[in-house]
Amino acid sequence: AQTVTQSQPEMSVQEAETVTLSCTYDTSESDYYLFWYKQPPSRQMILVIRQEAYKQQNATENRFSVNFQKAAKSFSLKISDSQLGDAAMYFCAYRRGSAGNMLTFGGGTRLMVKP
Amino acid sequence: GAVVSQHPSWVICKSGTSVKIECRSLDFQATTMFWYRQFPKQSLMLMATSNEGSKATYEQGVEKDKFLINHASLTLSTLTVTSAHPEDSSFYICSARVASGGGNEQFFGPGTRLTVL
Repeated sequence: AQTVTQSQPEMSVQEAETVTLSCTYDTSESDYYLFWYKQPPSRQMILVIRQEAYKQQNATENRFSVNFQKAAKSFSLKISDSQLGDAAMYFCAYRRGSAGNMLTFGGGTRLMVKP
Repeated sequence: GAVVSQHPSWVICKSGTSVKIECRSLDFQATTMFWYRQFPKQSLMLMATSNEGSKATYEQGVEKDKFLINHASLTLSTLTVTSAHPEDSSFYICSARVASGGGNEQFFGPGTRLTVL
């Protein structure tokens, strides 16, 4: 079974600074996707970024980027120029190759942004 | 596009009653919908996978007779919590996968907070 581990229950960052959230996963599959979701106080899950395992290039979305280390099964999220609106729970998630397969979530990291 | 709604957003019920939660894909067809439960300060735990026109697949430890799932159309799945008890109080979230042409994304509803008194 696949497992996703987020070792940082809480992180804090100063506004405008950079923070990195860690995620490791365990799988025997070769075809899979990795995701970072943001859950603000509204509880609405928002997709932040996605990485296909077959792609060597790290995904980026504006201020958000990932460091995907396939051999190490590591998938960290870097948030640059942190903003107050980035404060939220962040969940790392794994999904096998077929889109119909379920998401497996990590335990989450609460990010606090200090003004 | 790709909006998923849930109704109600918040429900309070008495112990022993049943509660139905609706999950709708508003602007796309969803062959597969997923139901998650999230306890305070915890992650999302998959309860079941719902496929249109067929029986739902439940995760280990989830009682099929207690959490009834119906996916009657390509835009609607319902979760009924039967004979609810205080321990069923939680935040329930659905997600929907685009039927075709939408890539590999799942889109999440805003969630339903259930409080059982």
